Amino acid sequence: GENVEQHPSTLSVQEGDSAVIKCTYSDSASNYFPWYKQELGKGPQLIIDIRSNVGEKKDQRIAVTLNKTAKHFSLHITETQPEDSAVYFCAASPNAGNMLTFGGGTRLMVKP
Amino acid sequence: ETGVTQSPTHLIKTRGQQVTLRCSSQSGHNTVSWYQQALGQGPQFIFQYYREEENGRGNFPPRFSGLQFPNYSSELNVNALELDDSALYLCASSLGLAGGTEQFFGPGTRLTVL
Repeated sequence: GENVEQHPSTLSVQEGDSAVIKCTYSDSASNYFPWYKQELGKGPQLIIDIRSNVGEKKDQRIAVTLNKTAKHFSLHITETQPEDSAVYFCAASPNAGNMLTFGGGTRLMVKP
Repeated sequence: ETGVTQSPTHLIKTRGQQVTLRCSSQSGHNTVSWYQQALGQGPQFIFQYYREEENGRGNFPPRFSGLQFPNYSSELNVNALELDDSALYLCASSLGLAGGTEQFFGPGTRLTVL
């Protein structure tokens, strides 16, 4: 089955700096790669996703890149703000509606 | 448009008991997936229901079972609770399967087994 590895497990940045979180996956059948943000006591919130026919996608301060050949994808957050502090999860799936395999999570701390 | 809701918010049970967790999917969605999230880990897929039929199951024993109702709400049942079942249980709803929409998660039910 699919296996998703996520790094780093914790990331501390200064407000205004950029943050990068990286994930690798094992199953070449995966074609859908969402990123979720989870705040304390809440469920995961979808923040951006990318499908395998696209190499990069951007939404304001958030961007995701995908390298299907190398089987890795990354989340980039620019101009970080304290409210970006949360746990971020990457995931992989054959399709958006199918089971998601999650990475272990990255705790992002943005220091004011 | 109503988002995904789950009940109860918190639950405390003892080993060997049975529990039922409930999920109401987002308006217009016909697919519900259940995940277990242990403390400090990523969610793990339990199973998925599409139009009242189970459509895929993760590596969980048969004492984890579920239902989906005609209004697409869903239940997760766990029998013979074990200490390791303590976790946050999340449901996610979406529209369709392959080629379907993104999965949107509810706030979860925190289950503690003593």
